[in-house]
This record gives sequence, C-alpha cells and structure tokens, in this order.
Amino acid sequence: DAGVIQSPRHEVTEMGQEVTLRCKPISGHNSLFWYRQTMMRGLELLIYFNNNVPIDDSGMPEDRFSAKMPNASFSTLKIQPSEPRDSAVYFCASIPLGGRDTEAFFGQGTRLTVV
Amino acid sequence: KQEVTQIPAALSVPEGENLVLNCSFTDSAIYNLQWFRQDPGKGLTSLLLIQSSQREQTSGRLNASLDKSSGRSTLYIAASQPGDSATYLCAGFTGANSKLTFGKGITLSVRP
Repeated sequence: DAGVIQSPRHEVTEMGQEVTLRCKPISGHNSLFWYRQTMMRGLELLIYFNNNVPIDDSGMPEDRFSAKMPNASFSTLKIQPSEPRDSAVYFCASIPLGGRDTEAFFGQGTRLTVV
Repeated sequence: KQEVTQIPAALSVPEGENLVLNCSFTDSAIYNLQWFRQDPGKGLTSLLLIQSSQREQTSGRLNASLDKSSGRSTLYIAASQPGDSATYLCAGFTGANSKLTFGKGITLSVRP
C-alpha cells in the first residue's frame, strides 16, 4: 500500500482565498483524522471520522474550516476564507478497521502558507 | 480532557549515550500509547505502539514502557547515534472518544 496520501504537499495562497486539502487513507482503514501542526501549539486534532461519519469536530478552530469524507477513500479539509494565521502543516492520519489497538499512520502533510 | 506533556522540549547528547525520553498524560483511562519520530519537514513515522494489554514494547535499540496508573510513558534509546536526531512525539489514544492526543515532542540532537 502507498500509505496515507495527501495533496498538495505545499500550498501558497493569498488571504481570503479558498483552500482545499485532500487525503486518501490507507485502503481498509475506517478512521480518519485531520491534524494541524504549528511550532506554538504542536499537533492539534481538528476533526475525525469513523466510517465516513464525522465524530468530533470540536477541534475545528472556526466556521471557516470544514471537512468532508464522501467515501471511504477520500477526505477533504477546506478553509474559506483563508487567513495568515491558518499557515501550518496539516496532517491526515488513518487507523485500520476496528483498530483501537493498532497504529495510526500519517501522511506526509500539506504545508500551507497564507500570505 | 486528555493532556499529554513531554519535557524537556529539547535534548542534546553525545553519540553512544543511552537516554530516556519522558511522556506524561493526565487521563489514566488511556487505551494505548504510541511513539512517533518526525524528521524536519517530514511526516510522522510510528516507532512503537504499546497496546492496551501491554506494559512495554521493544524494537531494536528502542524500548517503550507504559504505566497507566502513574500517567507516564518512557522511550529508551540505547547507544544513541547521530541518525537518531529527530523530534520524538508520544500520543495517547483515549478509547472512549477515539481521540489520539499528542505531546509537543522532544527534539533530540545526538552529537558525533
């Protein structure tokens, strides 16, 4: 398996623009997590899905952030409108089916810069 | 709410030294604990997972232990090498709400 795949790897956008980050979990994994990493705050859980259903989005910072998982093989994180303080590395992670006691696998991340 | 702490934030040691990285958590109802390595500009690589029924896990020069009652986990690195230089993060999985909560990591530098 190619692992968790995120795209794009890097994104530079102007303030106010819409940004969409994409994630393809490992096949067969039914839990998907979106994290944001900054120097100041470390890794923060934004939202996670079980079987494509959002379970907890309490980490989503503002209404400008939204996430979807239309099927088991694809998820998006959208920021609209983007602001400079959204600049961070965004990671996606997945866990296998029934995998409360299994490893979480991370993608390589998307480095977002909002200017 | 689960909080995970890693102190110190940075550590520098000479090559060959055995070292221990600490991780503490507030909620003893933690289900399992995972240690990750992150190289600069890269994603997270899983090193060890201590499953719910385990107290420790070993892989090569790495040994991780978990004591839920005291809220502590340690990652032991034997005979450190410059290639071990990276940031090490611990993450606790709380089964009740299926959250994986991370510490801020310890940046390790192993000097040749």
